[in-house]
Amino acid sequence: GENVEQHPSTLSVQEGDSAVIKCTYSDSASNYFPWYKQELGKGPQLIIDIRSNVGEKKDQRIAVTLNKTAKHFSLHITETQPEDSAVYFCAARGMDSSYKLIFGSGTRLLVRP
Amino acid sequence: EADIYQTPRYLVIGTGKKITLECSQTMGHDKMYWYQQDPGMELHLIHYSYGVNSTEKGDLSSESTVSRIRTEHFPLTLESARPSHTSQYLCASSEWGTGVGNTIYFGEGSWLTVV
Repeated sequence: GENVEQHPSTLSVQEGDSAVIKCTYSDSASNYFPWYKQELGKGPQLIIDIRSNVGEKKDQRIAVTLNKTAKHFSLHITETQPEDSAVYFCAARGMDSSYKLIFGSGTRLLVRP
Repeated sequence: EADIYQTPRYLVIGTGKKITLECSQTMGHDKMYWYQQDPGMELHLIHYSYGVNSTEKGDLSSESTVSRIRTEHFPLTLESARPSHTSQYLCASSEWGTGVGNTIYFGEGSWLTVV
C-alpha cells in the first residue's frame, strides 16, 4: 500500500522568508496529492492540491510541485507570516484506493515575527 | 468552508463510561471518515463509510464502532472508555466518484479525555 514520508518534522523561519516542506510517496500509481493546514485546536483544512498530470500549481503565496519520476512533492510558502504557523500535512491517494488518503506525519511550522 | 460538524468539541469522562461522538455534514457527501489524532501527530484512519448502511474498519485498529443510518450522520461510539482512548477524533467527508481528487473536508474535531 501507499506510504508517505514527510520532512522536516519541525521548521522555524523568520517572517518574510520562504518555507519548504517535502514529501515522498511509494505508490507510483498515486495521482492526487493534497496539502492540509491544521491550526491549534482545529481540524485540518485543505490549502492546495495537485494532480499527477500537473507539475506545479500556485495559489498566491503557496505553491506545490510534483516530481512523478522521483515520487516526491513539495509545498512552498513564500513571504511567510506569523499566521502561517501551524502543522502542515501532505497526503497521497492511489488509483486503487479512491476512498481514502494516506497522510504524512506532519510538519510543525513556526514563523518568528 | 466545509459544512461538517462535530459534537461535543471537548469531553472529559470517567473510565468505563459509554460515549458517542456525533458527526453531521450538510453537503450530501456519500463518503465519511473518522480519523484519530494525538496532538500534532499523524492522522490515522479508524473507520470509513461509502454510504448508508456501509461501514468499514480503517488502517488503525480501534475499539470504537460506527453506524451510518442516514447520509448526513456518522456517529462514533465507545462502549467502555479507557484512558488509552484519550485522543482527538476527526470526522471527515467527501463526494463519491470515480474521478481522482475528491476533496476530503474535516470537522473541527472532538477532544476526548478519559480519566
